[in-house]
Amino acid sequence: AQTVTQSQPEMSVQEAETVTLSCTYDTSENNYYLFWYKQPPSRQMILVIRQEAYKQQNATENRFSVNFQKAAKSFSLKISDSQLGDTAMYFCAFMKHVNTDKLIFGTGTRLQVFP
Amino acid sequence: GAVVSQHPSWVICKSGTSVKIECRSLDFQATTMFWYRQFPKQSLMLMATSNEGSKATYEQGVEKDKFLINHASLTLSTLTVTSAHPEDSSFYICSAEGRLSYEQYFGPGTRLTVT
Repeated sequence: AQTVTQSQPEMSVQEAETVTLSCTYDTSENNYYLFWYKQPPSRQMILVIRQEAYKQQNATENRFSVNFQKAAKSFSLKISDSQLGDTAMYFCAFMKHVNTDKLIFGTGTRLQVFP
Repeated sequence: GAVVSQHPSWVICKSGTSVKIECRSLDFQATTMFWYRQFPKQSLMLMATSNEGSKATYEQGVEKDKFLINHASLTLSTLTVTSAHPEDSSFYICSAEGRLSYEQYFGPGTRLTVT
């Protein structure tokens, strides 16, 4: 069975600074997807970034980038130039590379960006 | 594009009654929809996978007779909580699978309070 672990329940960062959220996972699969989702106080889940396991290049979306270490089964999220609107819960998630499979979520990291 | 709505956004019901939550994909067809439950300050837990025209697949530990899921069309799935109890109070979130199997678009969630 797949598991996703987020070891940082809470993080804080000052506006304009950089913060890294950690995520590790366990799987015997070779092909899979990894995701970071953001859940702001509105509780709407928002996709931040996606990484395909077969791609060596780390995914980047504007201020968000990942450090994907497949051998170490690590998938951290770096937020650069943090903004107040980045304050939210962040969930790391895993999905097998098959048609119609479920997302397995980590326990989440609550990020607070302060002025 | 890729908008998912849920109705109602918030519902209060009395213990012993049933309540129905709707999940609609507004601008795309979704063969598969997922239902999650989220307790305060916790992660999303998958309850069931709903496929259009067939019976839902429930996760281990989820009572299928209590949480009735119907996916009658490619744009609508419903979750009915039958004989609700206060412990069923939670935040229920649906997601719909997009054109690509790794895409899941989330609804805004429904807060259920059972008194």
